[in-house]
Amino acid sequence: DAGVIQSPRHEVTEMGQEVTLRCKPISGHDYLFWYRQTMMRGLELLIYFNNNVPIDDSGMPEDRFSAKMPNASFSTLKIQPSEPRDSAVYFCASSLWAIPSYNEQFFGPGTRLTVL
Amino acid sequence: QKEVEQDPGPLSVPEGAIVSLNCTYSNSAFQYFMWYRQYSRKGPELLMYTYSSGNKEDGRFTAQVDKSSKYISLFIRDSQPSDSATYLCAMTPSGSARQLTFGSGTQLTVLP
Repeated sequence: DAGVIQSPRHEVTEMGQEVTLRCKPISGHDYLFWYRQTMMRGLELLIYFNNNVPIDDSGMPEDRFSAKMPNASFSTLKIQPSEPRDSAVYFCASSLWAIPSYNEQFFGPGTRLTVL
Repeated sequence: QKEVEQDPGPLSVPEGAIVSLNCTYSNSAFQYFMWYRQYSRKGPELLMYTYSSGNKEDGRFTAQVDKSSKYISLFIRDSQPSDSATYLCAMTPSGSARQLTFGSGTQLTVLP
């Protein structure tokens, strides 16, 4: 398996532009997570899905951020309009639910976003 | 106050040294404790996980959990330059909970 795939790996955009980040989870995994990582705030959970349904989006910073998972193999995180403070590395992770052990989250390589 | 506190470092040690990385937490509901390793410009990868209190050993790595003190540690013996990375602790209330709460990460450099 290729692991979690994210695209693009790097994105540079100007303030006010729309940004779309993409993620393909590991095949068969039923949970998908979006994280944001910055030096100041560390790794923060933004939203997660179970079987394509958003379960908890309390970490989404504001209405400019939205996430979708139209099917089991694809998810997007959209920022519209983007602002310089959105500059960060955005990670997607997936996991497979199993009883009773802890369920490891597998992370993608991340998308490094720079908003000028 | 953050739920999980971790000394950000950076920590620099000579090759062969014993490294101790630590996290403290405030939520007594946390039951599963993990250490992730993140190489530069890569995603985090699970290194070890421990359920409840106690020790777990895997090669040169030992994870310790002291729930009474709300304190977890990762020890690296005979550290190698390839261990140079950022180490993040993470925890969750139970196996059925999906959300992980991460520490801010400790940046480790092992000098040859």
